[in-house]
Amino acid sequence: DVKVTQSSRYLVKRTGEKVFLECVQDMDHENMFWYRQDPGLGLRLIYFSYDVKMKEKGDIPEGYSVSREKKERFSLILESASTNQTSMYLCASMGYQETQYFGPGTRLLVL
Amino acid sequence: KQEVTQIPAALSVPEGENLVLNCSFTDSAIYNLQWFRQDPGKGLTSLLLIQSSQREQTSGRLNASLDKSSGRSTLYIAASQPGDSATYLCAVRNSGNTPLVFGKGTRLSVIA
Repeated sequence: DVKVTQSSRYLVKRTGEKVFLECVQDMDHENMFWYRQDPGLGLRLIYFSYDVKMKEKGDIPEGYSVSREKKERFSLILESASTNQTSMYLCASMGYQETQYFGPGTRLLVL
Repeated sequence: KQEVTQIPAALSVPEGENLVLNCSFTDSAIYNLQWFRQDPGKGLTSLLLIQSSQREQTSGRLNASLDKSSGRSTLYIAASQPGDSATYLCAVRNSGNTPLVFGKGTRLSVIA
């Protein structure tokens, strides 16, 4: 079974803090993705990566950066957290079979 | 730009009923289409993946169909159960190297 894990299920941070969200997959997938999900707006793509050290901007990259130093790990960084970044963050990975697998999500609250 | 629409946004049915969830997309030149289920506060679980060359895929009580020319897919759930209550999302991929584009989902409630 493919497993995608995220470092935290719930996180509370203060405005201005630097926040790291970690995602790890155990299936040697090349492709990894970060989304945020908000009521009424659905899933929105923040960043994705097709290979180690490679990244592409999604639809809403502003205020975020990513890091992919190893194939199995894709990190999302909030450089200076703001209240409008309070959201559910979902990580996903995809291999050659093209089914996309999601992690359990991190619910982030920025105060 | 590809857009994916799911109507209705919410649906409530009695247990045992067969039901159909709809998904439409604006650009018919898709690579594949995937249906997901999401329980409240959880991540997404993949249900079915249909390649552009396929017309349908089946898994247990679920059957997904794809009509590329009309830009539509349906997810058929047979003999619905309360455990089927969840949000169902449809997503399309335009080519092998592009991310999925998601609809906003249909929230299904199956009443015992």
